[in-house]
Amino acid sequence: AQSVAQPEDQVNVAEGNPLTVKCTYSVSGNPYLFWYVQYPNRGLQFLLKYITGDNLVKGSYGFEAEFNKSQTSFHLKKPSALVSDSALYFCAVSGIFNKFYFGSGTKLNVKP
Amino acid sequence: GAVVSQHPSRVICKSGTSVKIECRSLDFQATTMFWYRQFPKQSLMLMATSNEGSKATYEQGVEKDKFLINHASLTLSTLTVTSAHPEDSSFYICSALKSSGQGAGEQFFGPGTRLTVL
Repeated sequence: AQSVAQPEDQVNVAEGNPLTVKCTYSVSGNPYLFWYVQYPNRGLQFLLKYITGDNLVKGSYGFEAEFNKSQTSFHLKKPSALVSDSALYFCAVSGIFNKFYFGSGTKLNVKP
Repeated sequence: GAVVSQHPSRVICKSGTSVKIECRSLDFQATTMFWYRQFPKQSLMLMATSNEGSKATYEQGVEKDKFLINHASLTLSTLTVTSAHPEDSSFYICSALKSSGQGAGEQFFGPGTRLTVL
């Protein structure tokens, strides 16, 4: 069975500081991992994905994520947070029939 | 990129009425679309997989007679909430699957539809 876990309901960070949003996964077979961001009353916006290749994946808006097979993690990172990054972030894994299994979401608060 | 639209963005209806939500892939064809439901401050819950030209596949616990899905073309899937009740009030999000040459298709999400049943 495919699943992802986001252990933090909320992450608080000061503007300009680096941020990390955690995600761990459990899959059978090769993992296809994704990060999405959601602003209030909006759909999901794609940030980045890992299919194969380099473990460090660069995505939209300066975000990146590192695929770590030994730790079964796919943490989202950004070197310098912006207030506008405040939103809800979802990690997802793609499973059979291309179904997505989402984590519970992490609310990121970036304070000025 | 790939764009997916949903209509309406917001709908308020009376209890007992039916509401139809449209999901369109604007610049690509999608044989597969997905419908999700999201409760406040919660994650997305997959309701069903919509397959063009065939019956939708519903997740366990989702009433297929209440949530009717039709995928009549390669760019349009509709979700009809029949005999809506206040507990059906939620944020409904669709996604369209765009095939990728790397083995896993990528889902592109619509902006969501806020349904309020009075």
